[in-house]
Formats: sequence, C-alpha cells, structure tokens
Amino acid sequence: EVQLVETGGGLVQPGRSLKLSCVASGFTFNNYWMSWTRQAPGKGLEWVASITNSGGSTYYPDSVKGRFTISRDNAQNTLYLQMNSLRSEDTATYYCTRLASADYWGQGVMVTVSS
Amino acid sequence: DIQMTQSPSFLSASVGDRVTINCKASQNINKYLNWYQQKLGEAPKRLIYNTNNLQTGIPSRFSGSGSGTDYTLTISSLQPEDFATYFCLQHNSFPNTFGAGTKLELK
Repeated sequence: EVQLVETGGGLVQPGRSLKLSCVASGFTFNNYWMSWTRQAPGKGLEWVASITNSGGSTYYPDSVKGRFTISRDNAQNTLYLQMNSLRSEDTATYYCTRLASADYWGQGVMVTVSS
Repeated sequence: DIQMTQSPSFLSASVGDRVTINCKASQNINKYLNWYQQKLGEAPKRLIYNTNNLQTGIPSRFSGSGSGTDYTLTISSLQPEDFATYFCLQHNSFPNTFGAGTKLELK
C-alpha cells in the first residue's frame, strides 16, 4: 500500500523559513517523480514543485520559484520542501504527491505564516 | 500558463441522478487531464487519469471523456458517498494547473 506521510508544518513568521518532509513507503521511491501541492484554507489546489526520480531536475511555478526548493533522499525514501522567505499567502495545507500527475496523496501538513 | 476553467462551481443533485462536470483548458492539453474527489478534511483522491482511465478501486459509475481543450467527468448514478468537491488537473505542461473545483451537494 502506497503511503506518504508529511511532517514539519506549523506556525512561522513572515520572512522566516520552514522545511517539510514526506516519508514514502509501499513503492520503489527512486522510480518515481514526486511533487508538492498546496491548498489555502477554503480554496483550490495549487501545484508547488516537482522533482525527477533521480533528483536531477526540479520544476516550480513562478509563485514560489527562488523561494522554495524541492529535494529528495532516495536512500531514506524521503521528499523535502525547503520554504524560505515565507509570506502570508503561503499559508496552506501542503500535500506530498507521487508523480507530477498526483496519483497518490499524503494526508497533508498545515503551514501558517503569520506574525 | 494553461488556465483551467471548471464548471459549474456548485451543483445540487439527488441520489440516483446523472451529473456532469466540465473543465475547459486555455489550450490543447493532449488528454493529460485527471479528476479528483475531495471530501471535507481529507486529501484529494484521484478518480480518473489521462481523460478516461479509471483509477484502481474507483467505482465504474465514474467516467471521463474529452479531447483537445474540453473534458468531462460523469457520475452515472449518484450515491450518498459521492457528495464532495471535484477538481480537474492538467499535467500536459508545467506549471500543472487545477480547476477551481465543483462542490456537489445533496438537493
């Protein structure tokens, strides 16, 4: 059974940093691209980042490019999202998803950016 | 960026009804269109991938169709557990983009 478990969320002040983690199990992690998607409270979904299975290439929308970094440790079956220079509009539930086409989702982790 | 226009935003229906939800892309997305169901407080669940492929374990009352810029999710006979919010996702090209969602409510 595919499982994705996110951790690392919380309350952070604007301008500060936070790093999310996602531990994967139930599939061969290093065979799959991975992604992060977020959902602001009461809002729709926004793709945040994707990374190739080797970690050699990464992709971001303009809204987070230069501030967020997706990475992975294939030996630890773990996906990361380093978020810098956080803004109030980054407040959302962040989901780890398998593939850029998001076939499986974690349960999500809440990030609140507020002073 | 490819814009996804989803309609309707809200839909009231009864158990047993046939409903359709639409997504229109701002350009050809070559059938790289997925549909998701989200219930309150839960993560989205993929129902359909690449326009018309049913995710394993999803009931056959869900189906998808479309091509080019226009795509449809059909639920042939609504069941009580189907009342939820539905989203489309295009993954033809980055940035991947979602529709704004359709909230399906019990009439």
